[in-house]
Amino acid sequence: DADVTQTPRNRITKTGKRIMLECSQTKGHDRMYWYRQDPGLGLRLIYYSFDVKDINKGEISDGYSVSRQAQAKFSLSLESAIPNQTALYFCATSGKGNYSTDTQYFGPGTRLTVL
Amino acid sequence: QQQVKQSPQSLIVQKGGISIINCAYENTAFDYFPWYQQFPGKGPALLIAIRPDVSEKKEGRFTISFNKSAKQFSLHIMDSQPGDSATYFCAALYGGNYQLIWGAGTKLIIKP
Repeated sequence: DADVTQTPRNRITKTGKRIMLECSQTKGHDRMYWYRQDPGLGLRLIYYSFDVKDINKGEISDGYSVSRQAQAKFSLSLESAIPNQTALYFCATSGKGNYSTDTQYFGPGTRLTVL
Repeated sequence: QQQVKQSPQSLIVQKGGISIINCAYENTAFDYFPWYQQFPGKGPALLIAIRPDVSEKKEGRFTISFNKSAKQFSLHIMDSQPGDSATYFCAALYGGNYQLIWGAGTKLIIKP
């Protein structure tokens, strides 16, 4: 079984709809991240969480919100989806220890299309 | 100021050749420089990483060269193989908030 899972894997929705992307991990890691990937732009950090009670905005948090329901679960919500949120979304986790040399482990991604 | 600039955007190399991908940064607060490899339909995975106190790190056919004064680092893939065909991302960790700043990616194709 995969260590980091994301659901759904693909989603098509309409402008204005609320949508939630979910991430679960079995690695026992404390730190979790949400990124979006756009062609030619690399990965950009949306939100990150260093533990259940710690949520931080990333580079591009506007239009998104998150919930850390448990150590193993981190959800990303788009309250009112817009077409420029069409992208590939990745969840990642990293473990305890030295923040400065963390390896991030990525899920398989969710391809979101907003019409 | 927090950008990491990666080049080229795409690269085609013959099997057995050397693939070279370059990255440059501005912020001297970056203190950890990983490279990630991404295959189609998968998330990125750590390939190799370096701290700025060393100039080179080698793991098998993959080598990072780091030039602190020029604020540049590069990935070299020796004896490139078709299985190395993937998208490669450089990144830099900002020590102030432990965020990874990513390059735009390089799509590498190794021709048999």
